[in-house]
Amino acid sequence: NAGVTQTPKFRVLKTGQSMTLLCAQDMNHEYMYWYRQDPGMGLRLIHYSVGEGTTAKGEVPDGYNVSRLKKQNFLLGLESAAPSQTSVYFCASSPSGGPGKPQHFGDGTRLSIL
Amino acid sequence: GIQVEQSPPDLILQEGANSTLRCNFSDSVNNLQWFHQNPWGQLINLFYIPSGTKQNGRLSATTVATERYSLLYISSSQTTDSGVYFCAVGGTALIFGKGTTLSVSS
Repeated sequence: NAGVTQTPKFRVLKTGQSMTLLCAQDMNHEYMYWYRQDPGMGLRLIHYSVGEGTTAKGEVPDGYNVSRLKKQNFLLGLESAAPSQTSVYFCASSPSGGPGKPQHFGDGTRLSIL
Repeated sequence: GIQVEQSPPDLILQEGANSTLRCNFSDSVNNLQWFHQNPWGQLINLFYIPSGTKQNGRLSATTVATERYSLLYISSSQTTDSGVYFCAVGGTALIFGKGTTLSVSS
Protein backbone atom coordinates (compact mmCIF):
# COMPACT_ATOMS: atom_id res chain seq x y z
CA ASN A 1 0.00 0.00 0.00
CA ALA A 2 1.86 3.08 -1.27
CA GLY A 3 -0.33 5.80 0.29
CA VAL A 4 0.63 9.19 -1.18
CA THR A 5 3.36 9.16 -3.82
CA GLN A 6 5.06 12.29 -5.14
CA THR A 7 7.03 12.48 -8.38
CA PRO A 8 9.80 13.58 -8.77
CA LYS A 9 11.63 13.59 -5.44
CA PHE A 10 14.23 16.16 -6.52
CA ARG A 11 14.42 18.63 -9.37
CA VAL A 12 16.57 21.57 -10.38
CA LEU A 13 15.12 24.14 -12.78
CA LYS A 14 16.33 27.31 -14.38
CA THR A 15 14.37 30.52 -13.94
CA GLY A 16 11.56 30.69 -16.48
CA GLN A 17 11.27 26.94 -17.06
CA SER A 18 8.02 25.12 -16.46
CA MET A 19 7.32 21.83 -14.77
CA THR A 20 4.59 19.71 -13.25
CA LEU A 21 4.70 17.89 -9.93
CA LEU A 22 2.56 14.78 -9.69
CA CYS A 23 0.80 13.51 -6.60
CA ALA A 24 -0.94 10.13 -6.63
CA GLN A 25 -2.89 8.49 -3.81
CA ASP A 26 -4.27 4.97 -3.66
CA MET A 27 -6.55 5.39 -0.63
CA ASN A 28 -9.61 6.60 -2.55
CA HIS A 29 -9.48 9.91 -0.69
CA GLU A 30 -11.72 12.77 -1.83
CA TYR A 31 -9.57 15.67 -0.63
CA MET A 32 -6.07 16.47 -1.83
CA TYR A 33 -3.69 19.32 -0.95
CA TRP A 34 -0.44 20.92 -2.08
CA TYR A 35 1.80 22.65 0.49
CA ARG A 36 5.18 24.27 0.37
CA GLN A 37 7.62 24.25 3.28
CA ASP A 38 10.28 26.91 3.64
CA PRO A 39 12.83 27.19 6.48
CA GLY A 40 11.26 28.74 9.57
CA MET A 41 7.86 29.10 7.89
CA GLY A 42 6.13 25.80 8.59
CA LEU A 43 3.85 24.48 5.85
CA ARG A 44 1.72 26.81 3.75
CA LEU A 45 -1.22 25.66 1.67
CA ILE A 46 -0.94 26.42 -2.06
CA HIS A 47 -4.08 24.85 -3.53
CA TYR A 48 -6.43 22.08 -2.59
CA SER A 49 -9.23 19.98 -4.06
CA VAL A 50 -12.37 18.56 -2.44
CA GLY A 51 -13.12 16.18 -5.28
CA GLU A 52 -12.43 15.21 -8.87
CA GLY A 53 -12.69 18.24 -11.13
CA THR A 54 -12.57 20.79 -8.28
CA THR A 55 -9.77 23.08 -7.09
CA ALA A 56 -9.52 25.95 -4.62
CA LYS A 57 -6.87 28.48 -3.61
CA GLY A 58 -4.96 28.26 -0.37
CA GLU A 59 -2.72 30.77 1.39
CA VAL A 60 -0.05 31.15 -1.30
CA PRO A 61 -1.55 30.29 -4.74
CA ASP A 62 0.23 32.87 -6.91
CA GLY A 63 2.55 31.42 -9.54
CA TYR A 64 1.01 27.93 -9.35
CA ASN A 65 -1.78 26.10 -11.13
CA VAL A 66 -3.38 22.78 -10.28
CA SER A 67 -5.61 20.18 -11.87
CA ARG A 68 -7.60 17.22 -10.52
CA LEU A 69 -8.73 15.38 -13.65
CA LYS A 70 -8.72 12.01 -11.89
CA LYS A 71 -9.68 11.36 -8.27
CA GLN A 72 -6.36 9.72 -7.47
CA ASN A 73 -4.11 12.39 -9.00
CA PHE A 74 -3.45 16.03 -8.14
CA LEU A 75 -1.01 17.95 -10.34
CA LEU A 76 0.85 21.12 -9.37
CA GLY A 77 2.22 23.23 -12.21
CA LEU A 78 4.76 26.02 -12.33
CA GLU A 79 4.39 27.85 -15.63
CA SER A 80 7.44 30.11 -15.28
CA ALA A 81 9.61 29.11 -12.34
CA ALA A 82 11.13 31.81 -10.13
CA PRO A 83 13.88 31.52 -7.48
CA SER A 84 11.27 32.39 -4.82
CA GLN A 85 9.60 29.05 -5.61
CA THR A 86 12.62 27.12 -4.36
CA SER A 87 11.10 25.01 -1.61
CA VAL A 88 10.07 21.55 -0.48
CA TYR A 89 6.62 20.68 -1.80
CA PHE A 90 4.33 18.27 0.03
CA CYS A 91 1.16 16.66 -1.19
CA ALA A 92 -1.46 15.33 1.21
CA SER A 93 -4.82 13.60 1.00
CA SER A 94 -7.70 12.97 3.36
CA PRO A 95 -11.05 11.16 3.24
CA SER A 96 -14.36 12.98 2.87
CA GLY A 97 -16.86 13.18 5.71
CA GLY A 98 -15.95 16.51 7.23
CA PRO A 99 -12.87 18.61 7.90
CA GLY A 100 -11.59 16.47 10.72
CA LYS A 101 -10.27 13.55 8.79
CA PRO A 102 -6.50 13.14 9.22
CA GLN A 103 -4.29 14.27 6.35
CA HIS A 104 -1.77 11.77 4.99
CA PHE A 105 1.40 13.22 3.48
CA GLY A 106 3.77 12.18 0.71
CA ASP A 107 7.53 12.29 1.25
CA GLY A 108 7.98 15.62 -0.50
CA THR A 109 9.62 17.04 -3.62
CA ARG A 110 12.71 19.19 -3.17
CA LEU A 111 12.70 21.83 -5.92
CA SER A 112 15.52 24.28 -6.60
CA ILE A 113 15.16 27.17 -9.03
CA LEU A 114 18.43 28.66 -10.23
CA GLY B 1 -6.90 34.77 8.73
CA ILE B 2 -6.34 32.46 11.64
CA GLN B 3 -3.04 32.89 13.48
CA VAL B 4 -1.28 29.86 14.97
CA GLU B 5 1.52 30.22 17.49
CA GLN B 6 3.53 27.33 18.84
CA SER B 7 5.81 27.34 21.86
CA PRO B 8 8.54 26.78 22.67
CA PRO B 9 10.25 27.08 19.28
CA ASP B 10 13.04 24.74 20.38
CA LEU B 11 13.28 22.11 23.10
CA ILE B 12 16.25 19.99 24.14
CA LEU B 13 15.67 16.97 26.37
CA GLN B 14 17.48 14.01 27.83
CA GLU B 15 15.99 10.64 27.06
CA GLY B 16 13.30 9.76 29.59
CA ALA B 17 12.19 13.33 30.26
CA ASN B 18 8.63 14.59 29.79
CA SER B 19 7.61 17.64 27.78
CA THR B 20 4.63 19.81 26.94
CA LEU B 21 4.22 21.62 23.62
CA ARG B 22 1.67 24.37 23.26
CA CYS B 23 -0.41 25.65 20.33
CA ASN B 24 -2.42 28.88 20.56
CA PHE B 25 -4.85 29.87 17.82
CA SER B 26 -6.73 33.07 17.21
CA ASP B 27 -10.21 31.96 16.16
CA SER B 28 -12.71 29.14 16.56
CA VAL B 29 -11.86 26.08 14.50
CA ASN B 30 -13.48 22.73 13.77
CA ASN B 31 -10.26 21.04 12.79
CA LEU B 32 -7.03 20.81 14.78
CA GLN B 33 -4.32 18.29 14.03
CA TRP B 34 -0.86 17.59 15.42
CA PHE B 35 1.91 16.32 13.15
CA HIS B 36 5.44 15.06 13.66
CA GLN B 37 8.08 15.70 11.00
CA ASN B 38 10.97 13.31 11.53
CA PRO B 39 14.61 14.18 10.77
CA TRP B 40 14.18 12.66 7.29
CA GLY B 41 11.40 15.12 6.51
CA GLN B 42 8.45 12.73 6.65
CA LEU B 43 5.22 14.11 8.11
CA ILE B 44 3.14 11.83 10.33
CA ASN B 45 -0.32 12.64 11.60
CA LEU B 46 -0.44 12.25 15.40
CA PHE B 47 -3.87 13.46 16.45
CA TYR B 48 -7.07 15.01 15.18
CA ILE B 49 -8.29 16.85 18.28
CA PRO B 50 -10.53 19.94 17.88
CA SER B 51 -11.60 19.50 21.53
CA GLY B 52 -11.09 17.14 24.44
CA THR B 53 -8.26 14.75 25.20
CA LYS B 54 -6.75 11.82 23.33
CA GLN B 55 -3.92 9.46 24.11
CA ASN B 56 -1.77 7.24 21.92
CA GLY B 57 0.98 5.44 23.80
CA ARG B 58 3.42 7.94 25.29
CA LEU B 59 1.76 10.84 23.48
CA SER B 60 -1.39 12.61 24.51
CA ALA B 61 -3.10 15.81 23.46
CA THR B 62 -5.64 18.14 24.99
CA THR B 63 -7.51 20.96 23.28
CA VAL B 64 -9.48 23.58 25.18
CA ALA B 65 -11.48 25.04 22.32
CA THR B 66 -13.14 27.78 24.39
CA GLU B 67 -9.71 29.14 25.34
CA ARG B 68 -8.18 28.49 21.91
CA TYR B 69 -5.20 26.38 22.81
CA SER B 70 -3.99 22.82 22.49
CA LEU B 71 -1.26 20.94 24.34
CA LEU B 72 0.78 17.96 23.20
CA TYR B 73 2.36 15.88 25.96
CA ILE B 74 5.30 13.57 25.36
CA SER B 75 6.19 11.29 28.25
CA SER B 76 9.39 9.29 28.73
CA SER B 77 10.87 10.81 25.59
CA GLN B 78 13.04 8.71 23.27
CA THR B 79 15.59 9.72 20.66
CA THR B 80 13.09 8.69 17.98
CA ASP B 81 10.79 11.50 19.19
CA SER B 82 13.24 14.05 17.77
CA GLY B 83 12.01 16.23 14.95
CA VAL B 84 9.56 19.06 14.47
CA TYR B 85 6.05 19.03 15.89
CA PHE B 86 3.42 21.04 14.05
CA CYS B 87 0.00 22.14 15.11
CA ALA B 88 -2.42 22.88 12.26
CA VAL B 89 -5.90 24.40 12.56
CA GLY B 90 -8.81 25.43 10.37
CA GLY B 91 -11.52 23.62 8.48
CA THR B 92 -10.99 21.67 5.26
CA ALA B 93 -7.88 23.79 4.68
CA LEU B 94 -5.32 23.82 7.48
CA ILE B 95 -3.10 26.66 8.70
CA PHE B 96 0.15 25.37 10.17
CA GLY B 97 2.15 26.88 12.99
CA LYS B 98 5.90 27.26 12.63
CA GLY B 99 6.53 24.21 14.77
CA THR B 100 8.49 23.17 17.84
CA THR B 101 11.86 21.54 17.15
CA LEU B 102 12.52 18.77 19.67
CA SER B 103 15.94 17.22 20.17
CA VAL B 104 16.18 14.19 22.46
CA SER B 105 19.64 12.96 23.38
CA SER B 106 20.63 9.65 24.95
